[in-house]
Amino acid sequence: AQSVTQPDIHITVSEGASLELRCNYSYGATPYLFWYVQSPGQGLQLLLKYFSGDTLVQGIKGFEAEFKRSQSSFNLRKPSVHWSDAAEYFCAVDEYSSASKIIFGSGTRLSIRP
Amino acid sequence: GAVVSQHPSWVICKSGTSVKIECRSLDFQATTMFWYRQFPKQSLMLMATSNEGSKATYEQGVEKDKFLINHASLTLSTLTVTSAHPEDSSFYICSASVGHSNQPQHFGDGTRLSIL
Repeated sequence: AQSVTQPDIHITVSEGASLELRCNYSYGATPYLFWYVQSPGQGLQLLLKYFSGDTLVQGIKGFEAEFKRSQSSFNLRKPSVHWSDAAEYFCAVDEYSSASKIIFGSGTRLSIRP
Repeated sequence: GAVVSQHPSWVICKSGTSVKIECRSLDFQATTMFWYRQFPKQSLMLMATSNEGSKATYEQGVEKDKFLINHASLTLSTLTVTSAHPEDSSFYICSASVGHSNQPQHFGDGTRLSIL
């Protein structure tokens, strides 16, 4: 079955440390890939997206993600986290690459240690 | 740009009443709008997809008579939870898209619905 997997439910990192959130997908073709962030009680904000081209994508708030076709992964990274980065992060896939239905991963909750 | 406004942000009502949630694209025309439901500490589950002027397409397991969706204009979609019961309490989020293949969905801030 087609799916999006975020293997880490909860991650805690120290402020200033680097961050990597994992995302794997299981689709035959290359879908459109997204990372969204959700603060408590709020909607989702798009951090970055990958449609095609350069496999290293730069997003807002200093985030980047790298698409690796061989590993079916789209991991999110940030070199130095800030306390304000504490939130829920969702990886998502547009399986038909047509701005249609998005499938969300289960999310990774990021906590920041002072 | 690409702002989606959702209203109300929080609503509490008695069991048996109907509740309407609005989703507006403020600075773009949304050909397609999506409605999601999110349970505490869980991911978003797509409920339905609506295209302007057409009937909504509901995901499997979502009762279309329970969750009425209207997308009468390119900037407004509404979700009405009819005869709401406590089990309908949840966080509902809408998103909007211009419908082109290289444009992502833009999300509203969500509506927390509590049924007493």
